[in-house]
Amino acid sequence: QSVLTQPPSASGTPGQRVTISCSGSRSNVVIKAVNWYQQLPGTAPKLLIYTNYQRASGVPDRFSGSKSGTSASLAISGLQSEDEADYYCATWDDSLNAWVFGGGTKLTVL
Amino acid sequence: EVQLEESGGGLVQPGGSLTLSCTGSGVSLDDSAMHWVRQSPGKGLEWVSTINWNSNKVAYAASVEGRFTISRDHAKSSLYLQMNSLRPEDTAFYYCAKDFCTSTGWACYFDYWGQGVLVTVSS
Repeated sequence: QSVLTQPPSASGTPGQRVTISCSGSRSNVVIKAVNWYQQLPGTAPKLLIYTNYQRASGVPDRFSGSKSGTSASLAISGLQSEDEADYYCATWDDSLNAWVFGGGTKLTVL
Repeated sequence: EVQLEESGGGLVQPGGSLTLSCTGSGVSLDDSAMHWVRQSPGKGLEWVSTINWNSNKVAYAASVEGRFTISRDHAKSSLYLQMNSLRPEDTAFYYCAKDFCTSTGWACYFDYWGQGVLVTVSS
């Protein structure tokens, strides 16, 4: 069971907007920056969003991040087939003294 | 282009040892903390270990503490993970990742990842 909670799956049709949530606690999400990683099928993870809302180099502005309280969110607007991937949130946990990841959300573009 | 490349994976029996290596091109790893992250087949990401830039701070996940040792060699621009007393549950793809932190240190993230190397622990 992951310290950060994500829905195991999400889906949408091309052009739609999809949101993926990441729920944590006061020892991680509340006090630390949240990052998001995208893992395309059969490839290594890559940085998508850092420090809650900053897009990594080359990431289209269809991707956006936000954080409020114990939760962070990743939104993808104008969904495209190439967005089909696994998405992970991650941050540092001050109580565990460890980096923690969400369980991952598999995004399907219908 | 920045590339990290892991090596040293393979099949090992339970109780055995293996050492993974990670080298970088297109970027200097010397000034950055480095991480190992693993992913069991079909599962999610799990942080394994971190070493700071000058090797005087290391951290391990509880699941590997006492069995794994992270190290680095600046002369070879390399990162290592010595894995001892391996268990079947250690079977995973192991990724090295470079760290980046803001100037205040408030926010850090893994900005570059290797392609991963598979470690299989089985008899």
